[in-house]
Amino acid sequence: DIQMTQSPSSLSASVGDRVTITCRASQSISTYLNWYQQKPGKAPKLLIYAASSLQGGVPSRFSGSGSGSDFTLTITSLQLEDFATYYCQQGYSTPTCTFGQGTKLEVK
Amino acid sequence: EVQLVESGGGLSQPGGSLRLSCAASGFTVSSNYLSWVRQAPGKGLEWVSIIYTGGSTYYADSVKGRVTISRDNSKNTLFLQMNSLRAEDTAVYYCARNSGSYPYYMDVWGEGTTVTVSS
Repeated sequence: DIQMTQSPSSLSASVGDRVTITCRASQSISTYLNWYQQKPGKAPKLLIYAASSLQGGVPSRFSGSGSGSDFTLTITSLQLEDFATYYCQQGYSTPTCTFGQGTKLEVK
Repeated sequence: EVQLVESGGGLSQPGGSLRLSCAASGFTVSSNYLSWVRQAPGKGLEWVSIIYTGGSTYYADSVKGRVTISRDNSKNTLFLQMNSLRAEDTAVYYCARNSGSYPYYMDVWGEGTTVTVSS
């Protein structure tokens, strides 16, 4: 099974900051990596698919990069509504998929 | 509007059964890959099951043999039959539309239904 490891597990930042979250796969997954945002009590929301493609309606301050086994999600100029938990998900080992353990982004 | 709405969650004793439903609108379940994903209290996301457009079904090892995913095309609804429930099945269960091709992302999610397994 492919394991997904995110770092850090939690992160404190301020409005206007630039933050980066890392996701590492236990083996190469090409660019079959997706990112989700989840707010408390809500369903996950797709932000980025195929490592770097922005889902429609998602602000351009979100960006993704990486290939192989190392990936990053970057949020430039943090807004208040961005404080949430972020998950990566590999879509390589179909039909199964695995998520990272999540990164909680909190207000400093 | 493309939407998924889950129902059927509740309280069950260990060893009991529940059937979760996920009603789709704005798209047809038969033409899409659909998944169930769960989230235990305070924990991360865990993929549970997927059904392909052709009807093939797959399960996570943690639920294999106890859970069955199915759909009713006439009702445009996805189901998850859960048997032999365990305390560790306690979670919010989400249904999600899967892209059906690489990179297999999930772009539409329901709001979730809560399953609690306790005596």
